Amino acid sequence: AQTVTQSQPEMSVQEAETVTLSCTYDTSESDYYLFWYKQPPSRQMILVIRQEAYKQQNATENRFSVNFQKAAKSFSLKISDSQLGDAAMYFCAYRRPDSGTYKYIFGTGTRLKVLA
Amino acid sequence: DGGITQSPKYLFRKEGQNVTLSCEQNLNHDAMYWYRQDPGQGLRLIYYSQIVNDFQKGDIAEGYSVSREKKESFPLTVTSAQKNPTAFYLCASSGPGLIYNEQFFGPGTRLTVL
Repeated sequence: AQTVTQSQPEMSVQEAETVTLSCTYDTSESDYYLFWYKQPPSRQMILVIRQEAYKQQNATENRFSVNFQKAAKSFSLKISDSQLGDAAMYFCAYRRPDSGTYKYIFGTGTRLKVLA
Repeated sequence: DGGITQSPKYLFRKEGQNVTLSCEQNLNHDAMYWYRQDPGQGLRLIYYSQIVNDFQKGDIAEGYSVSREKKESFPLTVTSAQKNPTAFYLCASSGPGLIYNEQFFGPGTRLTVL
Protein backbone atom coordinates (compact mmCIF):
# COMPACT_ATOMS: atom_id res chain seq x y z
CA ALA A 1 0.00 0.00 0.00
CA GLN A 2 1.13 3.48 -0.76
CA THR A 3 2.14 5.74 2.12
CA VAL A 4 3.11 9.39 2.40
CA THR A 5 5.36 10.63 5.21
CA GLN A 6 5.97 14.19 6.33
CA SER A 7 8.57 13.96 9.05
CA GLN A 8 8.51 17.63 10.11
CA PRO A 9 5.43 18.38 12.22
CA GLU A 10 6.41 22.05 12.45
CA MET A 11 8.84 24.41 10.72
CA SER A 12 9.69 28.09 11.15
CA VAL A 13 11.14 30.57 8.70
CA GLN A 14 11.98 34.24 8.80
CA GLU A 15 10.08 36.49 6.47
CA ALA A 16 11.85 36.80 3.09
CA GLU A 17 13.92 33.68 3.73
CA THR A 18 13.68 30.27 2.06
CA VAL A 19 12.31 27.11 3.64
CA THR A 20 12.05 23.52 2.44
CA LEU A 21 9.34 21.11 3.57
CA SER A 22 10.05 17.39 3.24
CA CYS A 23 7.84 14.62 1.92
CA THR A 24 8.66 11.01 1.19
CA TYR A 25 6.37 8.35 -0.18
CA ASP A 26 6.35 4.66 -0.77
CA THR A 27 4.93 3.09 -3.91
CA SER A 28 5.64 0.30 -6.35
CA GLU A 29 4.03 2.23 -9.21
CA SER A 30 6.11 3.88 -11.89
CA ASP A 31 3.60 6.55 -12.83
CA TYR A 32 1.68 8.70 -10.38
CA TYR A 33 0.91 12.27 -9.39
CA LEU A 34 2.16 14.23 -6.41
CA PHE A 35 0.66 17.36 -4.90
CA TRP A 36 1.31 19.95 -2.23
CA TYR A 37 -1.75 21.51 -0.62
CA LYS A 38 -1.84 24.52 1.71
CA GLN A 39 -4.36 24.84 4.53
CA PRO A 40 -4.30 28.36 6.08
CA PRO A 41 -6.08 29.19 9.35
CA SER A 42 -9.35 29.47 7.42
CA ARG A 43 -8.94 25.70 6.82
CA GLN A 44 -9.69 26.03 3.11
CA MET A 45 -7.45 23.56 1.26
CA ILE A 46 -5.62 25.17 -1.65
CA LEU A 47 -3.56 23.41 -4.28
CA VAL A 48 -0.03 24.82 -4.31
CA ILE A 49 1.81 22.73 -6.86
CA ARG A 50 1.66 19.36 -8.63
CA GLN A 51 4.07 17.01 -10.32
CA GLU A 52 3.72 14.07 -12.70
CA ALA A 53 6.13 11.25 -11.90
CA TYR A 54 7.19 10.72 -15.51
CA LYS A 55 8.29 14.34 -15.84
CA GLN A 56 11.89 14.81 -14.78
CA GLN A 57 11.62 18.58 -14.69
CA ASN A 58 10.72 19.95 -11.29
CA ALA A 59 7.46 21.89 -11.13
CA THR A 60 7.53 25.59 -10.29
CA GLU A 61 4.74 28.02 -9.43
CA ASN A 62 6.03 31.51 -8.70
CA ARG A 63 7.79 31.34 -5.28
CA PHE A 64 6.97 27.65 -4.86
CA SER A 65 9.07 24.89 -6.39
CA VAL A 66 9.60 21.21 -5.78
CA ASN A 67 12.62 18.96 -5.68
CA PHE A 68 11.35 15.67 -7.07
CA GLN A 69 13.72 12.76 -6.62
CA LYS A 70 11.93 9.74 -8.07
CA ALA A 71 14.53 7.13 -7.17
CA ALA A 72 14.64 8.34 -3.59
CA LYS A 73 10.82 8.74 -3.53
CA SER A 74 11.19 12.25 -2.24
CA PHE A 75 9.04 15.29 -3.07
CA SER A 76 10.10 18.37 -1.11
CA LEU A 77 8.53 21.82 -1.37
CA LYS A 78 10.71 24.93 -1.42
CA ILE A 79 9.16 28.29 -0.59
CA SER A 80 11.32 31.26 -1.55
CA ASP A 81 10.97 34.82 -0.22
CA SER A 82 8.60 33.62 2.49
CA GLN A 83 5.68 35.87 3.29
CA LEU A 84 3.44 36.11 6.34
CA GLY A 85 0.59 34.74 4.22
CA ASP A 86 2.52 31.51 3.71
CA ALA A 87 1.89 30.53 7.32
CA ALA A 88 -0.29 27.42 7.12
CA MET A 89 -0.43 23.65 7.31
CA TYR A 90 1.09 22.04 4.24
CA PHE A 91 0.05 18.59 3.10
CA CYS A 92 1.81 16.36 0.63
CA ALA A 93 -0.46 14.02 -1.37
CA TYR A 94 -0.05 11.10 -3.77
CA ARG A 95 -2.43 9.76 -6.40
CA ARG A 96 -2.30 6.90 -8.82
CA PRO A 97 -3.17 7.96 -12.35
CA ASP A 98 -5.30 5.03 -13.45
CA SER A 99 -9.04 5.49 -13.77
CA GLY A 100 -9.82 2.49 -11.60
CA THR A 101 -9.24 4.39 -8.42
CA TYR A 102 -9.60 7.96 -7.36
CA LYS A 103 -7.94 7.53 -4.01
CA TYR A 104 -5.49 10.09 -2.78
CA ILE A 105 -3.04 9.48 0.04
CA PHE A 106 -2.19 12.43 2.28
CA GLY A 107 0.67 12.96 4.68
CA THR A 108 0.08 14.17 8.23
CA GLY A 109 1.09 17.72 7.40
CA THR A 110 3.74 20.27 8.36
CA ARG A 111 2.78 23.45 10.16
CA LEU A 112 4.79 26.38 8.79
CA LYS A 113 5.28 29.47 10.92
CA VAL A 114 6.57 32.66 9.31
CA LEU A 115 8.37 35.02 11.65
CA ALA A 116 8.28 38.77 11.02
CA ASP B 1 -18.41 31.10 -9.83
CA GLY B 2 -17.75 27.36 -9.79
CA GLY B 3 -16.91 25.72 -6.53
CA ILE B 4 -17.84 23.44 -3.65
CA THR B 5 -20.10 24.47 -0.83
CA GLN B 6 -20.48 22.76 2.51
CA SER B 7 -23.09 23.47 5.12
CA PRO B 8 -23.34 24.14 7.90
CA LYS B 9 -19.96 25.59 8.83
CA TYR B 10 -20.42 24.59 12.47
CA LEU B 11 -22.64 21.77 13.70
CA PHE B 12 -23.40 20.63 17.21
CA ARG B 13 -24.88 17.27 17.95
CA LYS B 14 -26.06 15.50 21.03
CA GLU B 15 -24.87 11.98 21.63
CA GLY B 16 -27.14 9.42 19.99
CA GLN B 17 -28.28 11.72 17.19
CA ASN B 18 -27.65 11.29 13.50
CA VAL B 19 -26.60 14.39 11.60
CA THR B 20 -26.18 15.06 7.89
CA LEU B 21 -23.47 17.25 6.40
CA SER B 22 -24.19 18.82 3.04
CA CYS B 23 -21.78 19.01 0.10
CA GLU B 24 -22.69 20.55 -3.25
CA GLN B 25 -20.49 21.22 -6.28
CA ASN B 26 -21.16 23.03 -9.55
CA LEU B 27 -17.88 22.08 -11.20
CA ASN B 28 -19.46 19.23 -13.19
CA HIS B 29 -17.04 16.82 -11.52
CA ASP B 30 -17.75 13.11 -11.52
CA ALA B 31 -15.85 12.15 -8.38
CA MET B 32 -16.61 13.37 -4.89
CA TYR B 33 -14.99 12.58 -1.53
CA TRP B 34 -15.44 12.98 2.19
CA TYR B 35 -12.48 13.34 4.53
CA ARG B 36 -12.16 13.61 8.24
CA GLN B 37 -9.41 15.76 9.70
CA ASP B 38 -8.14 15.37 13.25
CA PRO B 39 -5.15 17.13 14.78
CA GLY B 40 -1.89 15.42 13.85
CA GLN B 41 -3.54 12.87 11.58
CA GLY B 42 -3.87 14.64 8.27
CA LEU B 43 -6.85 13.78 6.07
CA ARG B 44 -8.48 10.39 6.31
CA LEU B 45 -10.86 9.18 3.61
CA ILE B 46 -14.37 8.27 4.75
CA TYR B 47 -16.22 7.61 1.47
CA TYR B 48 -15.79 8.45 -2.17
CA SER B 49 -17.99 8.29 -5.23
CA GLN B 50 -16.87 8.10 -8.85
CA ILE B 51 -20.31 8.35 -10.48
CA VAL B 52 -23.94 8.89 -9.54
CA ASN B 53 -25.57 6.06 -7.59
CA ASP B 54 -22.22 4.50 -6.79
CA PHE B 55 -19.86 4.98 -3.85
CA GLN B 56 -17.08 3.13 -2.05
CA LYS B 57 -15.89 2.96 1.52
CA GLY B 58 -12.69 4.68 2.38
CA ASP B 59 -10.35 3.93 5.25
CA ILE B 60 -12.66 4.96 8.12
CA ALA B 61 -16.23 4.37 6.89
CA GLU B 62 -17.60 2.80 10.07
CA GLY B 63 -20.34 4.94 11.60
CA TYR B 64 -20.86 6.99 8.44
CA SER B 65 -23.17 6.71 5.44
CA VAL B 66 -23.48 8.57 2.14
CA SER B 67 -25.70 8.83 -0.92
CA ARG B 68 -25.08 10.04 -4.44
CA GLU B 69 -28.44 10.58 -6.11
CA LYS B 70 -27.29 13.63 -8.07
CA LYS B 71 -23.97 14.46 -9.65
CA GLU B 72 -23.84 17.75 -7.77
CA SER B 73 -24.55 16.43 -4.29
CA PHE B 74 -22.81 14.02 -1.90
CA PRO B 75 -24.24 14.29 1.62
CA LEU B 76 -22.57 12.58 4.56
CA THR B 77 -24.54 11.23 7.51
CA VAL B 78 -22.73 10.77 10.79
CA THR B 79 -24.65 8.12 12.66
CA SER B 80 -24.86 7.40 16.37
CA ALA B 81 -22.63 4.39 15.72
CA GLN B 82 -19.66 6.68 15.14
CA LYS B 83 -17.80 6.53 18.45
CA ASN B 84 -15.88 9.79 18.25
CA PRO B 85 -17.47 12.06 15.65
CA THR B 86 -16.06 15.39 16.84
CA ALA B 87 -13.81 16.49 13.98
CA PHE B 88 -13.43 18.74 10.97
CA TYR B 89 -15.01 17.30 7.80
CA LEU B 90 -13.89 18.20 4.31
CA CYS B 91 -15.67 17.48 1.05
CA ALA B 92 -13.76 17.42 -2.24
CA SER B 93 -14.34 16.74 -5.90
CA SER B 94 -12.30 15.97 -9.00
CA GLY B 95 -13.29 15.61 -12.62
CA PRO B 96 -12.49 14.66 -16.17
CA GLY B 97 -10.53 17.03 -18.33
CA LEU B 98 -8.10 17.71 -15.56
CA ILE B 99 -4.80 16.10 -16.47
CA TYR B 100 -3.79 15.67 -12.89
CA ASN B 101 -7.31 15.13 -11.53
CA GLU B 102 -6.39 17.27 -8.58
CA GLN B 103 -8.97 17.64 -5.89
CA PHE B 104 -10.90 20.81 -5.18
CA PHE B 105 -12.05 21.24 -1.60
CA GLY B 106 -14.99 22.82 0.14
CA PRO B 107 -14.58 25.11 3.18
CA GLY B 108 -15.35 22.31 5.65
CA THR B 109 -17.78 21.61 8.49
CA ARG B 110 -16.74 21.52 12.13
CA LEU B 111 -18.83 18.92 13.98
CA THR B 112 -18.90 18.93 17.77
CA VAL B 113 -20.66 16.32 19.87
CA LEU B 114 -21.98 17.73 23.13
